Amino acid sequence: QSALTQPASVSGSPGQSITISCTGTSSDVGGYNYVSWYQQHPGKAPKLMIYDVSNRPSGVSNRFSGSKSGNTASLTISGLQAEDEADYYCSSYTSSSTLGNWVFGGGTKLTVL
Amino acid sequence: QITLKESGPTLVKPTQTLTLTCTFSGFSLSTSGVGVGWIRQPPGKALEWLALIYWNDDKRYSPSLKSRLTITKDTSKNQVVLTMTNMDPVDTATYYCAHNRGDFDYWGQGTLVTVSS
Repeated sequence: QSALTQPASVSGSPGQSITISCTGTSSDVGGYNYVSWYQQHPGKAPKLMIYDVSNRPSGVSNRFSGSKSGNTASLTISGLQAEDEADYYCSSYTSSSTLGNWVFGGGTKLTVL
Repeated sequence: QITLKESGPTLVKPTQTLTLTCTFSGFSLSTSGVGVGWIRQPPGKALEWLALIYWNDDKRYSPSLKSRLTITKDTSKNQVVLTMTNMDPVDTATYYCAHNRGDFDYWGQGTLVTVSS
């Protein structure tokens, strides 16, 4: 069981918007603005899509956005495209002595219908 | 540009020690604030953070694996080495190294390590 909780799967049609949640605790998501989101296509390495809760690295489409409220962070993808179909992972810095310094979510499989 | 590449054995036997090397370019591990971390992913499962070493040689480990892990760096060779002792079949995974400056912004391609007799 992962330290951060994500839905196992979400789906949407092309052009629609979807949101993926990532729930942690006050020791990680709620306590720090160091939440990141990663996209992973099958057989590929993860790619950073959002850092520090809501910032996009250079080259990442503005269709991807991030936010946080309390202990839950969210990734929203607007204008869904077929290429967005992938697994998405959230990550957070943590001060938990049992988790170490970095924790990941269990991942969410996005299906574009 | 920043690149990282993992290297090491693809097959190890149970109880053996795994040694993985991350060779990187495009940044220096002597630059303040920079770190290199290791993350693994068992087949079909989620990412798991293992360890991270900072520019100042500060080392951090996953508490659940701390007793089995050692991370070191060779700044002159642009390499970070991870060793994991007492390997078990449940340690079968793709092992990634990644550049860290607050988040894992650049990743290697990963290397699949299978633990089997």
